[in-house]
Amino acid sequence: ETGVTQTPRHLVMGMTNKKSLKCEQHLGHNAMYWYKQSAKKPLELMFVYSLEERVENNSVPSRFSPECPNSSHLFLHLHTLQPEDSALYLCASSQGTSAYNEQFFGPGTRLTVL
Amino acid sequence: AQKVTQAQTEISVVEKEDVTLDCVYETRDTTYYLFWYKQPPSGELVFLIRRNSFDEQNEISGRYSWNFQKSTSSFNFTITASQVVDSAVYFCALSEAAGRRALTFGSGTRLQVQP
Repeated sequence: ETGVTQTPRHLVMGMTNKKSLKCEQHLGHNAMYWYKQSAKKPLELMFVYSLEERVENNSVPSRFSPECPNSSHLFLHLHTLQPEDSALYLCASSQGTSAYNEQFFGPGTRLTVL
Repeated sequence: AQKVTQAQTEISVVEKEDVTLDCVYETRDTTYYLFWYKQPPSGELVFLIRRNSFDEQNEISGRYSWNFQKSTSSFNFTITASQVVDSAVYFCALSEAAGRRALTFGSGTRLQVQP
C-alpha cells in the first residue's frame, strides 16, 4: 500500500461548487499537512495537524476548510473558490512535527477552478 | 526569517554527465535541518536526504552526493553520471528547530536528462 494516498487525483470545479480533497496515510504517523503548489510560487504550507489538532494555519482564506477526523485521514473542504486557487494540492505526513522529521508526500490533487 | 534560494530554474544535461543543483539558505537559528526532495512527473515529493546544522560532513549515496557548507550557507546536490530517470524537479528545504513546524521550500530546479 502506498504510504500517502490522495483522492481525487484531478478535479475541475466551478467557482460555486463545493468539493473535498481526501488524504490518507498508512505510515502510522501522527502529523499531517496540506501544501499548495502553484506554477509560479514555491510550495506553500497551508495547514498542520498534530494528533488531530490543528497546530498551524498559514493565513489561508476561509474558503479552504481542513478537517482531521483521525490521525490517518485529512480532508480539505473547498467552497466558492477562485481561479487563482487552481494548483496542485499536496498532502504530507510525518511522525511528529519536530524540525528533523522528514515528511512523506502524497501524489497530490491537481485542482482547476473555472 | 528563513528562506531557501534555488537560483537554477531549469538545467538540461545529456545522460552520463555530472550535474550540481545549488541551494542557498538563510536562517537565524543555530539549529536547523536541510532537506532535498525529488518530484518526478507523477507529482509526489520523494525524500532524499536530511542534514542537521551541526553535521557538515559530505554525504554520498550511490550516484548522489551532497555538499553542506555553513560558511557559505549552501547545501548543494550533485548527481554523478546522470540518467534519464533522474529527470524531475528537485527541491531544497529548511526547517528551524525553534521555528515553525513545517518546511520552507525553495522554488525548485527542473532537471532534464536527455538520452
